[in-house]
Amino acid sequence: GENVEQHPSTLSVQEGDSAVIKCTYSDSASNYFPWYKQELGKRPQLIIDIRSNVGEKKDQRIAVTLNKTAKHFSLHITETQPEDSAVYFCAARSRGGGFKTIFGAGTRLFVKA
Amino acid sequence: DAGVIQSPRHEVTEMGQEVTLRCKPISGHDYLFWYRQTMMRGLELLIYFNNNVPIDDSGMPEDRFSAKMPNASFSTLKIQPSEPRDSAVYFCASRDRVSGEQFFGPGTRLTVL
Repeated sequence: GENVEQHPSTLSVQEGDSAVIKCTYSDSASNYFPWYKQELGKRPQLIIDIRSNVGEKKDQRIAVTLNKTAKHFSLHITETQPEDSAVYFCAARSRGGGFKTIFGAGTRLFVKA
Repeated sequence: DAGVIQSPRHEVTEMGQEVTLRCKPISGHDYLFWYRQTMMRGLELLIYFNNNVPIDDSGMPEDRFSAKMPNASFSTLKIQPSEPRDSAVYFCASRDRVSGEQFFGPGTRLTVL
């Protein structure tokens, strides 16, 4: 079945450094890739997404890249701040699957001040 | 709009009891999703509806779990009988038909003793 793998499971960076989280997906029909941020005790919230017709998207300090051939996509956070500390989930959705979204296992990001 | 509404926010019950979780999606959204989140298994899709019709319930763990969506503004997830391993946070999410973004509710933290 469909699968999304996410690495690393835990990431610790110094404030101001960059953080990169990588995901791979198995369903070649996937065409929409959202990223969610979940703070402790809160709900997941969408922070950025990318569709299969583009290779990169940027929103201030956050960027996402997509390599459809390799079925890889990545989240890049630059100039990290303590408030970036949270669990980040990647996901992949295939329209052919009736908009079923498969989530990665999550990456716990710690930004040390 | 108040966003996705879930009730109760916290539920503590004893093994064997029936549990009913409730969700009100954002008005106008066409898809509704039920997820379960645990430390061990991450964020799992249980079932989702399109225009009140169940599309895929392959994530429902056992026959003890059932979900209904009698109308566009209300859905329930029922567990009968509940077991301690059902303890988790259950999220409901609805999808914006224009942007495709999923919006999560605040979740229901279920504890089965």
